[in-house]
Amino acid sequence: EPEVTQTPSHQVTQMGQEVILRCVPISNHLYFYWYRQILGQKVEFLVSFYNNEISEKSEIFDDQFSVERPDGSNFTLKIRSTKLEDSAMYFCASSLDRQETQYFGPGTRLLVL
Amino acid sequence: AQSVTQPDIHITVSEGASLELRCNYSYGATPYLFWYVQSPGQGLQLLLKYFSGDTLVQGIKGFEAEFKRSQSSFNLRKPSVHWSDAAEYFCAVGASGSSGDKLTFGTGTRLAVRP
Repeated sequence: EPEVTQTPSHQVTQMGQEVILRCVPISNHLYFYWYRQILGQKVEFLVSFYNNEISEKSEIFDDQFSVERPDGSNFTLKIRSTKLEDSAMYFCASSLDRQETQYFGPGTRLLVL
Repeated sequence: AQSVTQPDIHITVSEGASLELRCNYSYGATPYLFWYVQSPGQGLQLLLKYFSGDTLVQGIKGFEAEFKRSQSSFNLRKPSVHWSDAAEYFCAVGASGSSGDKLTFGTGTRLAVRP
């Protein structure tokens, strides 16, 4: 069964460093998402992406964040200058169409020191 | 804006007992609703979804959920819990706006299963 994959599974970085989290969505899916889950809290929407542009973003998704689909298979989330409060599990998801099921990857656990 | 409330933070049931996890949502239009399960250190696995039609939906692992518009609820049930069901369960509501879709999650219910 096709699945969403994410790399790395864990990343530790120093405050102020740039990180890139990578995702490979399910191959025929057209809509892509990033969510995050701070330890002990609920899963929060960050951004949705369709047709090579951001379709919606939350107030969390400020200028430090960016997303890109650099080729036909990868979908990346970049944090330009990480802060301590960026420490969280980051989930990528994809869906075939709007109002369709979003399938989640296993997550990348980011720790900012 | 949409929201989801899961009033039970922790629930413990005995193996073989029945289970009901509560979920209430707030959304101005007809919602589409999901239950996801998260095992420790794992991602989110879809258990079931409601988009339209029959208000009782069946999912994987013997779970079902019933959409009740009058109560704005989408409670998850299982008639007989197995030890492997111990996990965290998230209810989510989907919002389809003009610019895209996003899921709004509840805070989750952590299920423990007594042997």
